[in-house]
Amino acid sequence: EPEVTQTPSHQVTQMGQEVILRCVPISNHLYFYWYRQILGQKVEFLVSFYNNEISEKSEIFDDQFSVERPDGSNFTLKIRSTKLEDSAMYFCASSAKLAGGRETQYFGPGTRLLVL
Amino acid sequence: AQTVTQSQPEMSVQEAETVTLSCTYDTSESDYYLFWYKQPPSRQMILVIRQEAYKQQNATENRFSVNFQKAAKSFSLKISDSQLGDAAMYFCAYRSDFGNEKLTFGTGTRLTIIP
Repeated sequence: EPEVTQTPSHQVTQMGQEVILRCVPISNHLYFYWYRQILGQKVEFLVSFYNNEISEKSEIFDDQFSVERPDGSNFTLKIRSTKLEDSAMYFCASSAKLAGGRETQYFGPGTRLLVL
Repeated sequence: AQTVTQSQPEMSVQEAETVTLSCTYDTSESDYYLFWYKQPPSRQMILVIRQEAYKQQNATENRFSVNFQKAAKSFSLKISDSQLGDAAMYFCAYRSDFGNEKLTFGTGTRLTIIP
């Protein structure tokens, strides 16, 4: 069964450093998302991406964040200058193109980011 | 804005028994989707079940079923014949049908299975 994959599974970085989190969505999906979950809290929406542009973003997704689909398979989240409060689990998700399936988002296993 | 409320931070159930997890939501929309996701200790988010608001019939997936009460804005998850592998955090989530693609999650219910 196809699945969303994410790399790395864990990342430790120093405050102020740039990090890039990578995701490979399910191959026939064209809608992509990033969510984050701070330890012990609920999952929060960051951004959605379709047709090579952001379709929606939350207030969390400020100028420090960016997303990109550099090729036909990868979808990346970049944090330019990490802060301590960026420590969280970051989930990538994707959903199908067709309206009949677009509503169901399938999640990757997450990247656990720790900012020191 | 839509909100999702899970009023049970923790629940426990004896193995092989049935447990119901509660979820309520607030929306002014008539068309939307509701989901239950499971998050085991590995922290991966796994889709358990989905419900379309326009469908009156409650969704069922093997031992998992929902009780969808649209007028009451209630969406509970029933797990029958609970198994040790069901132990996890369970999140209720809402998605609008009007181009607003994001999922709005509740705060979760931690389910413990007692052997």
